[in-house]
Amino acid sequence: AQSVTQLGSHVSVSEGALVLLRCNYSSSVPPYLFWYVQYPNQGLQLLLKYTTGATLVKGINGFEAEFKKSETSFHLTKPSAHMSDAAEYFCAVSDRREYGNKLVFGAGTILRVKS
Amino acid sequence: SQTIHQWPATLVQPVGSPLSLECTVEGTSNPNLYWYRQAAGRGLQLLFYSVGIGQISSEVPQNLSASRPQDRQFILSSKKLLLSDSGFYLCASKGQGGNEQFFGPGTRLTVL
Repeated sequence: AQSVTQLGSHVSVSEGALVLLRCNYSSSVPPYLFWYVQYPNQGLQLLLKYTTGATLVKGINGFEAEFKKSETSFHLTKPSAHMSDAAEYFCAVSDRREYGNKLVFGAGTILRVKS
Repeated sequence: SQTIHQWPATLVQPVGSPLSLECTVEGTSNPNLYWYRQAAGRGLQLLFYSVGIGQISSEVPQNLSASRPQDRQFILSSKKLLLSDSGFYLCASKGQGGNEQFFGPGTRLTVL
């Protein structure tokens, strides 16, 4: 079974600093990979996804992520944090061989942005 | 693009009462539909998914059930709620053309 590990349940950065949220997955075959953001008491919003092709993917709000097969990682970055980036971020994977396109989520990382 | 509606937005129910949460989808046809639960401070747990009308797959044994009476309608139910059923319930949809799931705004359920 697939699993997703997000290192650090809480990450704190200063406004303007680099944001790095880590995600590692376990799967024998590279899965589809996703990052979602959740603001308090709201649903999840898709930030970006990797399915095939270029391993560096760009998403909304200035975020990007790089798929590294050798490291089984899909870390999320943003060059300069903004106060509005404070939220919870979830990494998710989907086994491209599996029926139903189910998502397996990491436990989430709460990002705090300090002024 | 897809729009997912959920209601009610919040619900407070006594233990032992029934439950019905509804999810409807606009902007796509024949989607895969999903119910997730998010407990406080935890990630998302897939409860049920459906690939078509009347087709329901359960991911974990529990006190809940799901139904899909129409193509773009997904209902989560319980006959008797437990305290452990409290949480944030999210409905998601995956259209036929992509790999990503889109999420509704969620229902906050508190069982007292």
